[in-house]
Amino acid sequence: AQKVTQAQTEISVVEKEDVTLDCVYETRDTTYYLFWYKQPPSGELVFLIRRNSFDEQNEISGRYSWNFQKSTSSFNFTITASQVVDSAVYFCVLSSGSARQLTFGSGTQLTVLP
Amino acid sequence: NAGVTQTPKFQVLKTGQSMTLQCAQDMNHNSMYWYRQDPGMGLRLIYYSASEGTTDKGEVPNGYNVSRLNKREFSLRLESAAPSQTSVYFCASTNDRENTEAFFGQGTRLTVV
Repeated sequence: AQKVTQAQTEISVVEKEDVTLDCVYETRDTTYYLFWYKQPPSGELVFLIRRNSFDEQNEISGRYSWNFQKSTSSFNFTITASQVVDSAVYFCVLSSGSARQLTFGSGTQLTVLP
Repeated sequence: NAGVTQTPKFQVLKTGQSMTLQCAQDMNHNSMYWYRQDPGMGLRLIYYSASEGTTDKGEVPNGYNVSRLNKREFSLRLESAAPSQTSVYFCASTNDRENTEAFFGQGTRLTVV
């Protein structure tokens, strides 16, 4: 069975601060994919980043970076120099299995204050 | 390029009424999914379809039926709506032969009174 845990329910930061969102996952599959999605107040789901299980290289994309560690089953996501427009619910998502079923974490509500 | 299109965007039903949520994708994806989102619970999988003609239950299938009409379309039916089915419903699709992300529709906000 797959499981994704986002222990942080809500985070508030002041604009320009860096913020890291934590994600821990469980799966028995050896091949899987991890994603971060953003859900702004308007409700749509916006894809942010993707990582597969056989590539642990951490990357930076603009203000976004992520830290994938298979040894601890963690896939943490960092926003550098946060902005008010970053305020949203962020979901960590695990994709595995033959049908690539998506398992969502419960989400972290990020509020960036001006 | 429309991506994933869901209809309707909003719906109010009375308890016991039936309705079908429609979903269509134009990306030639094999896999399609229906999720529901309740406050504070993230998205939970209702049903999915790995290919045309196949469907499987997800985490919360009770009270729902689905139909993969063709490769493009995947509908979700509520036969007898209950207040517990008040939720936001999302359809999604993926190309499981490539390492792509899932694409989501805009969501359907359903209220059962």
